[in-house]
Amino acid sequence: DQQVKQNSPSLSVQEGRISILNCDYTNSMFDYFLWYKKYPAEGPTFLISISSIKDKNEDGRFTVFLNKSAKHLSLHIVPSQPGDSAVYFCAGGLNTGGFKTIFGAGTRLFVKA
Amino acid sequence: GAVVSQHPSWVICKSGTSVKIECRSLDFQATTMFWYRQFPKQSLMLMATSNEGSKATYEQGVEKDKFLINHASLTLSTLTVTSAHPEDSSFYICSAATGPYEQYFGPGTRLTVT
Repeated sequence: DQQVKQNSPSLSVQEGRISILNCDYTNSMFDYFLWYKKYPAEGPTFLISISSIKDKNEDGRFTVFLNKSAKHLSLHIVPSQPGDSAVYFCAGGLNTGGFKTIFGAGTRLFVKA
Repeated sequence: GAVVSQHPSWVICKSGTSVKIECRSLDFQATTMFWYRQFPKQSLMLMATSNEGSKATYEQGVEKDKFLINHASLTLSTLTVTSAHPEDSSFYICSAATGPYEQYFGPGTRLTVT
């Protein structure tokens, strides 16, 4: 059961434009959502998060939007830079007696110079 | 800060042998460490949650007798793949948690079983 879905395996964007990465989830028990960035042969690095009680969180060029009614969140990167090219994982966090994070399959972002 | 290392980064072993992977938090103490497995072009699949000084909690479908996890200290957790088979070949990643959802990931270990 895929509780976190990233339906776009890849996305290509021109440098300077906006990148929008989408994520859908099915488990309404998630109380936190996170985005991680991963380069090849490296572990994921934390990018930005949002509590389920909020609908927007911004950190520099990165903004995450949460639409709970649609069970959808998105990551906006503005402006996109070539160094942003990586795989982005969306994840949902929940407490089931211990904290657990469920990851989506990832979206590979290509930012063209 | 918040650096997590894994050793080895790459290992090839013969079918039937066991392989141990170490995960260390270098500059912080982590009461909880997680072990994930990633297949090509797929998500990170949580295998188990490891708490210092107690038995690991395994996710459904993960054989605890095959994937032995030991969390001996606040900075070290080990994953031993016992009697490895080619289908165990994968990318194994650990993470160390400093808060409920604050995880710092290691660089991963690529295991190839021949």
